[in-house]
Amino acid sequence: GQQVMQIPQYQHVQEGEDFTTYCNSSTTLSNIQWYKQRPGGHPVFLIQLVKSGEVKKQKRLTFQFGEAKKNSSLHITATQTTDVGTYFCAGPSTNAGKSTFGDGTTLTVKP
Amino acid sequence: NAGVTQTPKFQVLKTGQSMTLQCAQDMNHEYMSWYRQDPGMGLRLIHYSVGAGITDQGEVPNGYNVSRSTTEDFPLRLLSAAPSQTSVYFCASSYGAPNSPLHFGNGTRLTVT
Repeated sequence: GQQVMQIPQYQHVQEGEDFTTYCNSSTTLSNIQWYKQRPGGHPVFLIQLVKSGEVKKQKRLTFQFGEAKKNSSLHITATQTTDVGTYFCAGPSTNAGKSTFGDGTTLTVKP
Repeated sequence: NAGVTQTPKFQVLKTGQSMTLQCAQDMNHEYMSWYRQDPGMGLRLIHYSVGAGITDQGEVPNGYNVSRSTTEDFPLRLLSAAPSQTSVYFCASSYGAPNSPLHFGNGTRLTVT
């Protein structure tokens, strides 16, 4: 079945450093979504990418969707302590009605 | 607008007990789903529903039942709790998954002893 792999699993950075997480799918995706989960919280939707090669920005966060629509990345510039949490990507499953989540990348930021 | 409301927030069960996790949404979303989250394993889909009266299995459905009698409610039933069901459970809804963003509830932390 479809797999969505995310790397790295954990990332520890010093405040001010950049951070990137990568998402790779075994199949072509019609869209990809990114979510953030703060420690002890619930996943919160960040953004959805639909077009091949699409790049979207939200302040210090840059999201990219690969040309082949099988991979995506989230880049955070100059991390802050408020960026701490787990970032998940999710793509539609080959079975209608399902979304497949990656295992997430947990980001810790040292002040 | 309350969004997605889950109850209870915490629950401790003994092996073999049954219980129902409640989930309600007030956004008139057709799609609702249940996920469990275990450390290092991300979010795994248990059951989902694309509308009232329609339910289907996700990746890890064994030991769980669901029903969808109304658009608003999507309860998750544990028939006979097992320690392997210790987890954090999230209910999520969307206008029309998988192409619409999911709105998650605050979660239920379940411990089975």
